[in-house]
Amino acid sequence: EIVLTQSPGTLSLSPGERATLSCRASQSVSSSYLAWFQQKPGQAPRLLIYGASSRATGIPDRFSGSGSGTDFTLTITRLEPEDFAVYYCQQYGGSPPWTFGQGTKVEIK
Amino acid sequence: EVQLLESGGDLVQPGGSLRLSCAASGFALSNYAMSWVRQAPGKGLEWVAAISGSGGNTYYADSVKGRFTISRDNSKNTLYLQVNSLRAEDTAKYYCARGWYGAYWGQGTLVTVSS
Repeated sequence: EIVLTQSPGTLSLSPGERATLSCRASQSVSSSYLAWFQQKPGQAPRLLIYGASSRATGIPDRFSGSGSGTDFTLTITRLEPEDFAVYYCQQYGGSPPWTFGQGTKVEIK
Repeated sequence: EVQLLESGGDLVQPGGSLRLSCAASGFALSNYAMSWVRQAPGKGLEWVAAISGSGGNTYYADSVKGRFTISRDNSKNTLYLQVNSLRAEDTAKYYCARGWYGAYWGQGTLVTVSS
């Protein structure tokens, strides 16, 4: 089973600042099959990024994903008030289980 | 518009069973793999199970293998999760999601396992 470790656990930033979230895998993620999700309180997760770097439909271009192998990054270039939420990475390559990271909370400083 | 609507969650005693449903609209279910993901209260996301578009291939997390069964009825555009031998640690909101990585999600159905 591939274990995904997200860091930091909590990121305290102000609107307009840049957010950099990390997702590290315990072994290489097949074909960069890594996704990022945003979840706000009381809501279902929303897909942001798939294939490590492809933005999902309707996702603003301030969200970008990068990385390969075992190290992946989600970057939010300029935080908007609606971006404060919990972010999860998930790997879906190779054999199941297709695991999630434990999440990074982006909170208002 | 793609919509997923889960139902079937309930309060159930340990050892009990439920069948969760996910009604899909706005797309042909047969064209997509589907997944179930759960979230315990205040916790993170846990992948539970997935099924190919035809239903011929199914996959499970070790924590539910042998107790949960994922299935689909493409003619009814509906995904199912049969959950048996429920334990307290199965208490969670259960989401269905389209695809192997969840391009679209429903709002979830709550399963509470308690005596």
